[in-house]
Parts: sequence; C-alpha cells; structure tokens
Amino acid sequence: SQTIHQWPATLVQPVGSPLSLECTVEGTSNPNLYWYRQAAGRGLQLLFYSVGIGQISSEVPQNLSASRPQDRQFILSSKKLLLSDSGFYLCAWSLGGNEKLFFGSGTQLSVL
Amino acid sequence: ELKVEQNPLFLSMQEGKNYTIYCNYSTTSDRLYWYRQDPGKSLESLFVLLSNGAVKQEGRLMASLDTKARLSTLHITAAVHDLSATYFCAPRISGDYKLSFGAGTTVTVRA
Repeated sequence: SQTIHQWPATLVQPVGSPLSLECTVEGTSNPNLYWYRQAAGRGLQLLFYSVGIGQISSEVPQNLSASRPQDRQFILSSKKLLLSDSGFYLCAWSLGGNEKLFFGSGTQLSVL
Repeated sequence: ELKVEQNPLFLSMQEGKNYTIYCNYSTTSDRLYWYRQDPGKSLESLFVLLSNGAVKQEGRLMASLDTKARLSTLHITAAVHDLSATYFCAPRISGDYKLSFGAGTTVTVRA
C-alpha cells in the first residue's frame, strides 16, 4: 500500500532563516506531487505541483521554491523566511490521470 | 480559474439535529471531493462525486452533486460530537487533474 511521509511535524524558525521541508511517497511510481499551505483558519492554497522528476509548476508567486530530485521525493524550500510564511504545510500525492489527493500529516511552521 | 465558495464558514450544531453545508463553484467541473480535517491534523477523503446527480452516503453524512447548478451539498443527519471538524469541498476543473479547495466549513457540535 502507498504511504506518504512528511517531516518535520512542527518547526519554529526566525525571520530570514532558510527552510527545507521534505516529503516522500512509498509504494507507487511516478506520482503527481503537491505542496499546499493552509494559513490559520483559512482554506488550502496550492503552492507547487510536479508531474515528474525536475518538473515543477508554481501556482503563486512567493519566496518559496520546490524541487523534485527523485521520483518520490518533493522538497519545499526558502532562502529567507518571512513572517507571512507561517502556516500549516501539507504535501500530497495523486496518481497520474487521477486527481484524488492523499495528504501527508503536515508541518506546522511558525516564523517568529 | 475555478473559484469555490463554501457556506457557512462556521457552523454550530446541536446534537441530534440536521444541517447542510453548501459548496458552489464557478466553472464547469465534472467531479468533486469532500474532505474532513480534524484540528491540527491532515485531510482525510470522505467522498468523491463523479457525475451529475451523484449521491454518496456514509453514516450520518450524505453528499450530492448538481453539476448544472455547480453545487454540492454535504448533509449531516442527527449531528453527534465526533463530527466536529472542518469540512472542505474540492471540485476539479473538467479536463484538469488539480483540485481547487473551498475555504472550509468549521463544524462544532454541542450537546
């Protein structure tokens, strides 16, 4: 069966510090991968998605970036965090051609 | 761009009573998902509605889809405390594989 791992679960970072969140999927090949952000009390905003290694699409302009160095690995990064980057970050995967999403457990990021 | 509106955004339910959450979306969509999120947790898929007129039921929850009206509803029958959570609808633009999420409806069930 497929599983998705996301870490860390919580993170407190100072403004201006770098960020790296990692997500890996097991039990499937060539998944579509997604990063979503959920601000406190808000809905989900799609940040990035990827349909294959090295293929990243950005949905909104921001100081975040994403990379997919391996088929089942998706990384969210920032060189310098802003206060507005605080939120709950969710990684998700789906099978190609099927939009049903399976979510990771999330990372609660607080930028202070 | 597919815009999704859920209402109400907050819903205080009394145990044992029935309630409905509405999900309207702006452009043609051929399928729609409902997800549940417990506080501080990830999202769990509840239903997928694949066609106009589709109805799915599980326990006290029933979801329906009217693609012509661009409307989905999530009906809660005889609310109980363990239904307290945030519920999201997520339609898919026809021909796309990405989902667009509503802002969520936060449900609190009180005795």
